[in-house]
Amino acid sequence: GAGVSQSPSNKVTEKGKDVELRCDPISGHTALYWYRQSLGQGLEFLIYFQGNSAPDKSGLPSDRFSAERTGGSVSTLTIQRTQQEDSAVYLCASSEDGVSWGGEKLFFGSGTQLSVL
Amino acid sequence: AQTVTQSQPEMSVQEAETVTLSCTYDTSENNYYLFWYKQPPSRQMILVIRQEAYKQQNATENRFSVNFQKAAKSFSLKISDSQLGDTAMYFCALKDTDKLIFGTGTRLQVFP
Repeated sequence: GAGVSQSPSNKVTEKGKDVELRCDPISGHTALYWYRQSLGQGLEFLIYFQGNSAPDKSGLPSDRFSAERTGGSVSTLTIQRTQQEDSAVYLCASSEDGVSWGGEKLFFGSGTQLSVL
Repeated sequence: AQTVTQSQPEMSVQEAETVTLSCTYDTSENNYYLFWYKQPPSRQMILVIRQEAYKQQNATENRFSVNFQKAAKSFSLKISDSQLGDTAMYFCALKDTDKLIFGTGTRLQVFP
């Protein structure tokens, strides 16, 4: 596709359930980022992938959160035993390169709105 | 630690007028990048303007310009001739070594 694709667009789940959020980056982009946007908060960094490895996962808030990337392409963010405070918009972004970029080539998806009841 | 602060949760402006959104930041780096992103209701973040810290000249993109004060660590966004389509959340961001650090955003409403 032409841009970063995220699915689902919206997800409603019950407290305690596991959820998987998917990000399909722009073809050829080696770097992939996950951010969380809570109501009234800025974008909170979660994890950064370069290829299939995650050199920076310092933003994952707890061990209930995990992410993987396969084939240097699609990434999945998994939240286990969801809590109400996990309700937020989860945004994915990709870029051609990681640490060397100047920011102008960072592309965002439209996010997944997660609601935990 | 690097931080970005936006002290204006909400702003409003009348169509065709000028509005300035404030941003301050903290970093120990000497060379870095600063950004303003726009987030319309579609949720997709759109890059508005980018400034490299080693460049003294303020960046400009059509109706959007910045006032970059390196010593004061201030990076404000000026929107001239505001349009209804400018209504959105605006985020200031600072590039860390491998990621962007964002402020909490300013919700801008443009009134006809």
